[in-house]
This record gives sequence, C-alpha cells and structure tokens, in this order.
Amino acid sequence: GAVVSQHPSWVICKSGTSVKIECRSLDFQATTMFWYRQFPKQSLMLMATSNEGSKATYEQGVEKDKFLINHASLTLSTLTVTSAHPEDSSFYICSARAGWDPTTHRGHTYEQYFGPGTRLTVT
Amino acid sequence: ELKVEQNPLFLSMQEGKNYTIYCNYSTTSDRLYWYRQDPGKSLESLFVLLSNGAVKQEGRLMASLDTKARLSTLHITAAVHDLSATYFCAVDEGAQKLVFGQGTRLTINP
Repeated sequence: GAVVSQHPSWVICKSGTSVKIECRSLDFQATTMFWYRQFPKQSLMLMATSNEGSKATYEQGVEKDKFLINHASLTLSTLTVTSAHPEDSSFYICSARAGWDPTTHRGHTYEQYFGPGTRLTVT
Repeated sequence: ELKVEQNPLFLSMQEGKNYTIYCNYSTTSDRLYWYRQDPGKSLESLFVLLSNGAVKQEGRLMASLDTKARLSTLHITAAVHDLSATYFCAVDEGAQKLVFGQGTRLTINP
C-alpha cells in the first residue's frame, strides 16, 4: 500500500512553453499533497502544500502564478510550470499524506509517501 | 523557523566499517524521518521515529531519536557497497510540513 505515481517521469520542453506534471495516490486517498523541487546535489525544497478542493499554500519565494497547483480530487494533484525557462529545469517530486495509515487503514499518520519524481529539462 | 542540519555532508568509508550520521534540529518536534536517495531516483523511506527514545533497526542501519537533545542518529554497521547513497533526515515542523537536512552523501569503497 501507499503508492504514489508521477507522470511523466521526464520531460523536455522549449523555453516559454508550459508543462503539466501529475501526481496520483494509487491505493489511498490523499488529504494533502506536497510538491518539492530538487536541484542537482541539493536537498529537497518544499514548493507548496495542497489540500483537496482548496487553494494551494505556497512557500515563500515560490511564484504561484508560475507554478500552478490543482488538487482536483483525493487522488490527483497537478503542477503546471507556466512559461518555463531553463532555470526551471529541476527534479520535481510530489508526496501525498493520508489522514489515516494507508497500510493498516487504522490510526492517524503524518507520514508522507513520495512519488518517483519528474525530471524537467527546459531548453 | 525550523532548521535541520546533518553532519557530515560527505562520507567516504571502507566496507566493513561502522559510522554514524547526525541530524540536529532547532525547534521542538517529535516526528523525524530518514530517507535514502539513489542517483536519479526519488526518496525511499527508511525509518519513521515518532517519540523520544525511539530506536529502529533494519539490516545494517539503525536510527534513534532524542527529542530533548533535538538529535537523531543513523548508524551504519559493517558497511557494504550497496549502502552507497545520499541519506536525508527530515523533521515534521507541524502544519504538515517537512523540513529536510542537507543530505549526507555516503560512498562505501571496497
């Protein structure tokens, strides 16, 4: 249990175009999803937190008009990088958190389950 | 603001040796996580530590948490090459957010 998928796993796009990344929780309902960005040889930086049906909360310094997040259902969140530029090239990782333990279906858990990541290259 | 610091950031060791990675954090929290990341891959969950004094072991890795000292350790016993990876600790800040350490890049040489 507790599997999170991302699509695509990698994408190359031209500067100025937009790209959408999907994050799905496959076997549990995610009350909250998170989007992280990781530059080479660096740690993960939280970009935003989204709860199903409400607007995402962005971290300081993250442009909400550039990184559009939609958490349309309890199993799907999308990140759209608008008007991408080479400096947006990065590894984007999503995570999902259930309100209860998705392996035992009992009890509350704060654990985040991470997707496999999407590598974005903007040329 | 919660800060999480790992030490060391780089570690090169020989197979068969023991070593410890340290994770210090700046504000109160009783939920700490350890992850492994291989090159080009996402995070793999290793340990979830939820209370003071928690100790968990899996194979050659053992993690512990001291919430009073705001310190967690990841101990590697008799290292093998397969354990080469980057290891991250992350602390639950509250408000659902995780704050990650810088990562420790571990290289184990034959």
